Amino acid sequence: DTGVSQDPRHKITKRGQNVTFRCDPISEHNRLYWYRQTLGQGPEFLTYFQNEAQLEKSRLLSDRFSAERPKGSFSTLEIQRTEQGDSAMYLCASRQLGRGDHEQYFGPGTRLTVT
Amino acid sequence: GQNIDQPTEMTATEGAIVQINCTYQTSGFNGLFWYQQHAGEAPTFLSYNVLDGLEEKGRFSSFLSRSKGYSYLLLKELQMKDSASYLCAVRGANSGYALNFGKGTSLLVTP
Repeated sequence: DTGVSQDPRHKITKRGQNVTFRCDPISEHNRLYWYRQTLGQGPEFLTYFQNEAQLEKSRLLSDRFSAERPKGSFSTLEIQRTEQGDSAMYLCASRQLGRGDHEQYFGPGTRLTVT
Repeated sequence: GQNIDQPTEMTATEGAIVQINCTYQTSGFNGLFWYQQHAGEAPTFLSYNVLDGLEEKGRFSSFLSRSKGYSYLLLKELQMKDSASYLCAVRGANSGYALNFGKGTSLLVTP
């Protein structure tokens, strides 16, 4: 297994544009998390999926944000009408619940810059 | 909610030992994690503690005291490549066991 992958690695967009990021978790991991990390801060939880079901969203996730995991495998995170405050690293992590493996495996992240 | 505190920066010498402390206040506790993060890269897992005591893994050890809301990460025989940010994270019982991270401790290892 090659680990968690994310695409794109970098995205520069103009304010007001929509962007979509993709995360491919480790195969057969049933839990998938999205986090956001700004400079000098630790990652902050945004949302998580159990298979294809989105079970919780943080207050950080405004209505401009939407996430999907349609087949319980890859996930997408879309930001509509981007704002400069959305500039951050968006990290995806996956985990297999119930296998005794507590680690969350992180992808390399997508760095978003909104100009 | 969660409140996690760790020093912002530390400096240590190559070959030495450094201890990075983390204190936390949490409404629910389901484990404490340490991750290493090099600039521009993803966090990588270092250790997990759920019971009190010391967990050792090579040059890295992590300690937990649940009653004190305290953990530390001990790095021995420091190498230049250990220069990175070290993130303390608490896993609660909410949010699908998502991790709540501190702001990270930036460690600089000098020759």
